Amino acid sequence: GESVGLHLPTLSVQEGDNSIINCAYSNSASDYFIWYKQESGKGPQFIIDIRSNMDKRQGQRVTVLLNKTVKHLSLQIAATQPGDSAVYFCAEKVNSGGSQGNLIFGKGTKLSVKP
Amino acid sequence: GAVVSQHPSRVICKSGTSVKIECRSLDFQATTMFWYRQFPKQSLMLMATSNEGSKATYEQGVEKDKFLINHASLTLSTLTVTSAHPEDSSFYICRGHGYTFGSGTRLTVV
Repeated sequence: GESVGLHLPTLSVQEGDNSIINCAYSNSASDYFIWYKQESGKGPQFIIDIRSNMDKRQGQRVTVLLNKTVKHLSLQIAATQPGDSAVYFCAEKVNSGGSQGNLIFGKGTKLSVKP
Repeated sequence: GAVVSQHPSRVICKSGTSVKIECRSLDFQATTMFWYRQFPKQSLMLMATSNEGSKATYEQGVEKDKFLINHASLTLSTLTVTSAHPEDSSFYICRGHGYTFGSGTRLTVV
């Protein structure tokens, strides 16, 4: 799994620019991936997911890309807004079938949007 | 759907006392709930999986006698931090059905 450090990587972007947040996952057997947004003092909020049989999925202003060859996941946020400022985590699910599998979380990236 | 309600949102307790955190599934029956802990500026780490009507499954390194989990009904799972110490101060979060998390509980032990 991911190592956990005391300092989150930080991405600082200008309002209106596009943001790209990257994540390296650990297990080639993972079949489902989720991006979460976590604001200070709150629980993680589901943003977008992708299954391992896909390489791209789009939502409203967000796109997730999956590269299984190098075990890499990215989250792209278009026209970043101040309200997007938060910590973003990727999570992978190793067990297949249903929603009961454990999620393994990446270390997180703090996104700061400058007005 | 899959709404999870977690209480309390914040709690401060004295060293040596116990604290109970509740997680309720509001619109689904949860046979399984997951409990996570998150230290400042760190990621979420799974502590245990609670199973309705049976014993919880704890992750390696998590003391089951210290973190008591009860899942007596299909809508309620509780985590009790017993004999809390300052090092137990953390953000505790539950996850219910699917991939929806509770709002978290900030525990501060003084």
